[in-house]
Amino acid sequence: EDKVVQSPLSLVVHEGDTVTLNCSYEVTNFRSLLWYKQEKKAPTFLFMLTSSGIEKKSGRLSSILDKKELFSILNITATQTGDSAIYLCAVLIQGAQKLVFGQGTRLTINP
Amino acid sequence: GAGVSQTPSNKVTEKGKYVELRCDPISGHTALYWYRQSLGQGPEFLIYFQGTGAADDSGLPNDRFFAVRPEGSVSTLKIQRTERGDSAVYLCASSSGTGHGELFFGEGSRLTVL
Repeated sequence: EDKVVQSPLSLVVHEGDTVTLNCSYEVTNFRSLLWYKQEKKAPTFLFMLTSSGIEKKSGRLSSILDKKELFSILNITATQTGDSAIYLCAVLIQGAQKLVFGQGTRLTINP
Repeated sequence: GAGVSQTPSNKVTEKGKYVELRCDPISGHTALYWYRQSLGQGPEFLIYFQGTGAADDSGLPNDRFFAVRPEGSVSTLKIQRTERGDSAVYLCASSSGTGHGELFFGEGSRLTVL
């Protein structure tokens, strides 16, 4: 069974801290790994990763994939209260065209 | 439209009733997905359409759930004889169908079965 596991499930930090969110996966046929941010209802796309070792970066957010160890991390530096959200990791299964999501990490940034 | 539109945003119904949830994808997107998200969980795949046909319906939990996309655009998710366990947010997403996984999600329909 295809599985995506995120850790921690919940994280509370102070504004300005740096956080690292983890995502590990066990899937039959990997195509790509995606990160989404979910603030209220609609998840919004952050990154798509297909190759190992290549960091994707957008402002204070960055992500990297390790296809040998089957995991990805999402880093957020100099966190702001607006970063508070649920961060979802998902894996696209080759040929199946469906995303398998992890449970999400609920990140809370306190002022 | 500019984004994926879902209606209703909230639906409260009684156990045993029939409900329909509607999704209007981004114009030109050929792929459409339905996901279900329970409290504290990630979205769970239900069904995927490529054009008018259901390419993968392996996530539908049982035969009370059915979805259609008759003209390859708007889709309707239909739930018969609702049960309390069906309560969740039903998310619709669309993509251009290039197959790399970037889905654009709607705001979801929150279904509560009393």
